[in-house]
Amino acid sequence: DAGVIQSPRHEVTEMGQEVTLRCKPISGHNSLFWYRQTMMRGLELLIYFNNNVPIDDSGMPEDRFSAKMPNASFSTLKIQPSEPRDSAVYFCASSPFRQEDEQFFGPGTRLTVL
Amino acid sequence: DAKTTQPPSMDCAEGRAANLPCNHSTISGNEYVYWYRQIHSQGPQYIIHGLKNNETNEMASLIITEDRKSSTLILPHATLRDTAVYYCIVRLTGTASKLTFGTGTRLQVTL
Repeated sequence: DAGVIQSPRHEVTEMGQEVTLRCKPISGHNSLFWYRQTMMRGLELLIYFNNNVPIDDSGMPEDRFSAKMPNASFSTLKIQPSEPRDSAVYFCASSPFRQEDEQFFGPGTRLTVL
Repeated sequence: DAKTTQPPSMDCAEGRAANLPCNHSTISGNEYVYWYRQIHSQGPQYIIHGLKNNETNEMASLIITEDRKSSTLILPHATLRDTAVYYCIVRLTGTASKLTFGTGTRLQVTL
């Protein structure tokens, strides 16, 4: 099992540019989560999906952020336009169906917005 | 979800048991206690979870007090690779799998 796959692993972009982060969850997992980690705020949940449907997006900082899950094997997190304060490590995690099951995290994407 | 309190940092000698405490005095009856850890530059990793009984797996043991207001994660023989930030998280059952991470305990295992 390859685990949760995220791409790119590193992204450097300039302020105002669109950024798209990608995630492939573990096959068979029904839930997918996007987190952001910064020194100031720690690990924050941005949004999560169950069976491809967004359940809670209350952690999405503002309208510049959007997330989609067009099918069970792929999700994107888009930032448009990007700002320097969006610089962070973005993690994707997936979990199987049972509510108490563990979440499996990907390696993260380190985003730097200049 | 109930709030947790952990010491910001701890040290442990390699080969010794590491005992990481967590207070969750406002935990409710349907909330589980979860432990995750994050090794530098990696994604968080699940360790163990429990409701009210003590639990053990290949990584660690979880001891939950009878009143469920606190718990201890035990790494029986710590190694240098166990150096990480350890997060204690309380999570409701009956909901989708939302985890709220606090600041955790930074465990440094030394020679």
